[in-house]
Amino acid sequence: GAGVSQTPSNKVTEKGKYVELRCDPISGHTALYWYRQSLGQGPEFLIYFQGTGAADDSGLPNDRFFAVRPEGSVSTLKIQRTERGDSAVYLCASSLGTSGRNTQYFGPGTRLTVL
Amino acid sequence: SQQGEEDPQALSIQEGENATMNCSYKTSINNLQWYRQNSGRGLVHLILIRSNEREKHSGRLRVTLDTSKKSSSLLITASRAADTASYFCATVFGNQFYFGTGTSLTVIP
Repeated sequence: GAGVSQTPSNKVTEKGKYVELRCDPISGHTALYWYRQSLGQGPEFLIYFQGTGAADDSGLPNDRFFAVRPEGSVSTLKIQRTERGDSAVYLCASSLGTSGRNTQYFGPGTRLTVL
Repeated sequence: SQQGEEDPQALSIQEGENATMNCSYKTSINNLQWYRQNSGRGLVHLILIRSNEREKHSGRLRVTLDTSKKSSSLLITASRAADTASYFCATVFGNQFYFGTGTSLTVIP
């Protein structure tokens, strides 16, 4: 079956611009997570959704970052006024539920480069 | 930081040898999971061990957990070139996942 997909796979933008990154989770997965991974580091938690609501957004670095999941399926991570330090791979993962016992299924990521 | 720390950061072994990676963490956990990441790809779940378990096996993988020392190890036996990847531990508390810094494993054919 289809796995988690993310678009675009690569995004190059200029400092100060606005970007949107999209995640299509596995059908039926109610939980959706966003992570940021810098080179040589592990994924850093940003936000997770249970259904349509953001259950925990404590990992978002500042108010330039925002994420939505309006219908409980596709999610969009939005970054305003991008900075060079935002350059990283943004990973999305989905799971059947929010229990920590559930396996997370990761997408291939979006590589964001801010020039 | 609540992230775990893996060691070694990098490991290079010959095909057929065993590979051991360690993970240390700081906070309480409900379970600990190990994931694998091939270059340029997303992470793939390997194995989960609950906080009340001490050892778990899955195929060529063996995971141990010592909650008193806040540490876990992942052993890959009879390694293959296809095992070359980065391996991450993730400590899970409630619904939050905290990933470590990873061990880069290279298996030389």
